[in-house]
Amino acid sequence: AQSVTQLGSHVSVSEGALVLLRCNYSSSVPPYLFWYVQYPNQGLQLLLKYTTGATLVKGINGFEAEFKKSETSFHLTKPSAHMSDAAEYFCAVSGHYNQGGKLIFGQGTELSVKP
Amino acid sequence: DTAVSQTPKYLVTQMGNDKSIKCEQNLGHDTMYWYKQDSKKFLKIMFSYNNKELIINETVPNRFSPKSPDKAHLNLHINSLELGDSAVYFCASSQARGYEQYFGPGTRLTVT
Repeated sequence: AQSVTQLGSHVSVSEGALVLLRCNYSSSVPPYLFWYVQYPNQGLQLLLKYTTGATLVKGINGFEAEFKKSETSFHLTKPSAHMSDAAEYFCAVSGHYNQGGKLIFGQGTELSVKP
Repeated sequence: DTAVSQTPKYLVTQMGNDKSIKCEQNLGHDTMYWYKQDSKKFLKIMFSYNNKELIINETVPNRFSPKSPDKAHLNLHINSLELGDSAVYFCASSQARGYEQYFGPGTRLTVT
């Protein structure tokens, strides 16, 4: 079975500081991995995805993530936090084709940005 | 243009009532999904449809019945609502199974 674990339900950084949100996954097949962001009272917006190929993936709003197979990790980073980055972030792995391609989510990490 | 839309955005109702949530996508995608987000923000798949065919029913009570009249629409009907059904329900779509999914704005259901 596939699963996702996000380390830290709350992360607080200062504006301008590095953002690091941790995600580890478990999958018996090569995973497709995603990061989504959810602003208050809104739906989920895709930040970036890894399917195959280059392991360092760049997304929107200056975020990037690196797929590390040996560590089963897909951590999300941003060099310099902005106040507008405050939101809930979800890491997800895509289920097998015969599981309908469902997304299996981590529990989410709430990012706070201090001025 | 809204890619994935849901109506209504808010739904407040009493226990025992029946309600429906509608979802439409204009992305031309083949696959649509319903997810439930609980009060702790945990997201869990409920259903997946591919070209109007049910692919996943993730042990959801029979009171929940999805219907896909065409591949651009996936509606969710809930019978005999219970307090535990209170949650935010998200519709999503993807080009095909395994591809990235695009989410609607959510429907916040409150059962009193």
